[in-house]
Amino acid sequence: QSALTQPPSASGSPGQSVTISCTGSSSDVGGYDYVSWYQHHAGKAPKLMIYEVSKRPSGVPDRFSGSKSGNTASLTVSGLQAEDEADYYCSSYTGSNNLGVFGGGTKLTVL
Amino acid sequence: EVQLVQSGAEVKKPGESLRISCKASGYTFTNYWIGWVRQMPGKGLEWMGIISPDDSDKRYSPSFQGQVTISADKSISTAYLQWSSLKASDTAMYYCARPIMLRGGIVWIDYWGQGTLATVSS
Repeated sequence: QSALTQPPSASGSPGQSVTISCTGSSSDVGGYDYVSWYQHHAGKAPKLMIYEVSKRPSGVPDRFSGSKSGNTASLTVSGLQAEDEADYYCSSYTGSNNLGVFGGGTKLTVL
Repeated sequence: EVQLVQSGAEVKKPGESLRISCKASGYTFTNYWIGWVRQMPGKGLEWMGIISPDDSDKRYSPSFQGQVTISADKSISTAYLQWSSLKASDTAMYYCARPIMLRGGIVWIDYWGQGTLATVSS
């Protein structure tokens, strides 16, 4: 199973919006509504930010939103804040008896 | 509060064995699968494998089948990742994770451990 494709980096100024893409295929992102996104600050445990394409777990600010079109999912961070600077990974379900697949990660920099 | 607390960093030589652990708390261990994710230096995340709550089912990524062993001791709510003979290429950060299972597969991960850095060098 090939990794999902994410841009290696993204950036924005405080208060701006940034969108990170995650491209797969009809066997993963395009085939199921089970895309999730994780925020990872170095040295800490990764944190679930979005599941089932666009749902936010309790406690995740509504500045974080997810969407999907065809084989590409997207994470949008609105009203960027300094603490949003982190690595972000997407992941997708890939069918029964499979472990799923991750993206390569995107380093988000808040300028 | 759900927590997955991993054992500390390890430094080993090629050919040595290693077992790292992940202690779960804040939930009923036997109600959820648990698994391991690798992150090699400068690289992304990869699923290594998962184990069912009652230890009756294990699933490994093809890349890791036969290379590692995943186990669990439900009496102490702890999962393990084990190598019998390490290679330099096993140098990585290893995360335990609690996957949510639907439709027979992993749909997302709701909790992660803090990671265990394993360094294998002669």
